[in-house]
Amino acid sequence: ETGVTQSPTHLIKTRGQQVTLRCSSQSGHNTVSWYQQALGQGPQFIFQYYREEENGRGNFPPRFSGLQFPNYSSELNVNALELDDSALYLCASSLGGLAGGREQYFGPGTRLTVT
Amino acid sequence: AQSVTQLDSHVSVSEGTPVLLRCNYSSSYSPSLFWYVQHPNKGLQLLLKYTSAATLVKGINGFEAEFKKSETSFHLTKPSAHMSDAAEYFCVVSDQVGAQKLVFGQGTRLTINP
Repeated sequence: ETGVTQSPTHLIKTRGQQVTLRCSSQSGHNTVSWYQQALGQGPQFIFQYYREEENGRGNFPPRFSGLQFPNYSSELNVNALELDDSALYLCASSLGGLAGGREQYFGPGTRLTVT
Repeated sequence: AQSVTQLDSHVSVSEGTPVLLRCNYSSSYSPSLFWYVQHPNKGLQLLLKYTSAATLVKGINGFEAEFKKSETSFHLTKPSAHMSDAAEYFCVVSDQVGAQKLVFGQGTRLTINP
């Protein structure tokens, strides 16, 4: 069974640029969630995708957007990067879509640095 | 709205002694509660999960947690600490209805002294 994978591992971007982060879900999982973890903080929920549609969103501006593909993999896109976007971005996969309370399995994360 | 408070930002214990990491939660509905562990430069690993079955939940690596509704607490314990337990621990709440949004506490850093 393959776990959650993310790419790239590390990324350095300049303020104002755009970035795309990628995630492959664990085998058999149909739901993908994205979280932002700033240094020394707990992860914050960005949004979740189920059946290629956004299913819940946290307190993040519209310049954070995403996609889910038919194979359940996902992308997180961030436009107009700001210095505060520097963080570890975590992808998590799970089963069930619209049913709450399910455990989520996390990838190793992508470390984004904005200069 | 859901929220989690981890009562200690840093806990330090000696190897072989008990571990107690404290967590209080707030939730409008019947919550699911989790503990995750994060080792340095690694992703998050699920330790254990509570979803309204038995109030005492056993997890991996000898950890367990007890759900106490009257105290809105979900403390994590381990009888005997091992050096490999040194990591950041997160208490997490999720409502059992609606989107699968996990709400994390701020984390407790566990240090193990030899």
